Amino acid sequence: GAVVSQHPSWVICKSGTSVKIECRSLDFQATTMFWYRQFPKQSLMLMATSNEGSKATYEQGVEKDKFLINHASLTLSTLTVTSAHPEDSSFYICSASVVGTEAFFGQGTRLTVV
Amino acid sequence: EDQVTQSPEALRLQEGESSSLNCSYTVSGLRGLFWYRQDPGKGPEFLFTLYSAGEEKEKERLKATLTKKESFLHITAPKPEDSATYLCAVQARGSTLGRLYFGRGTQLTVWP
Repeated sequence: GAVVSQHPSWVICKSGTSVKIECRSLDFQATTMFWYRQFPKQSLMLMATSNEGSKATYEQGVEKDKFLINHASLTLSTLTVTSAHPEDSSFYICSASVVGTEAFFGQGTRLTVV
Repeated sequence: EDQVTQSPEALRLQEGESSSLNCSYTVSGLRGLFWYRQDPGKGPEFLFTLYSAGEEKEKERLKATLTKKESFLHITAPKPEDSATYLCAVQARGSTLGRLYFGRGTQLTVWP
């Protein structure tokens, strides 16, 4: 199957700082990528749809100024958590699809804001 | 509103004890139903895609089936390495390709 690489796997940052998470499709081109957030023992909640070369589409209730998404190329999307606070601590996961197939997920990033 | 409900929330099985996980869904036109396995601290790992009622797919000890309202993931003679959270997701017709709605998952523990 297609490979999606997410980096970093975990990050600890101080409250008020910003953190960038990268999501790369290694062996295919992804015009659309998705960013999810997962709390302990909860399901994946879609945050936004990342479109190459255009603005991301955010789900209702997701602050677009806090969660900045950039999809500059067909193989890279980034999620920047700006001015992070402890309540932003969570597991963030990206996914991408090849046309006509299932979605493939990255390994996830554990963000801890202290 | 598209919804996915999984049951049970947690399931403990003895090694070799077969069982089934349930995924009920409500979607405005099903494009596909997906099963994923998720290990702690990892991203979901793809297992199966089902597209139409009556379809079945198998992989080792796992078998997924689909009706118009629900899907089952049957686990035959499970082993401890099958312990994980199993996630069900649906993709609706007309939605962006790859956009999935997930259930909360079933946490499966298989003990020796």
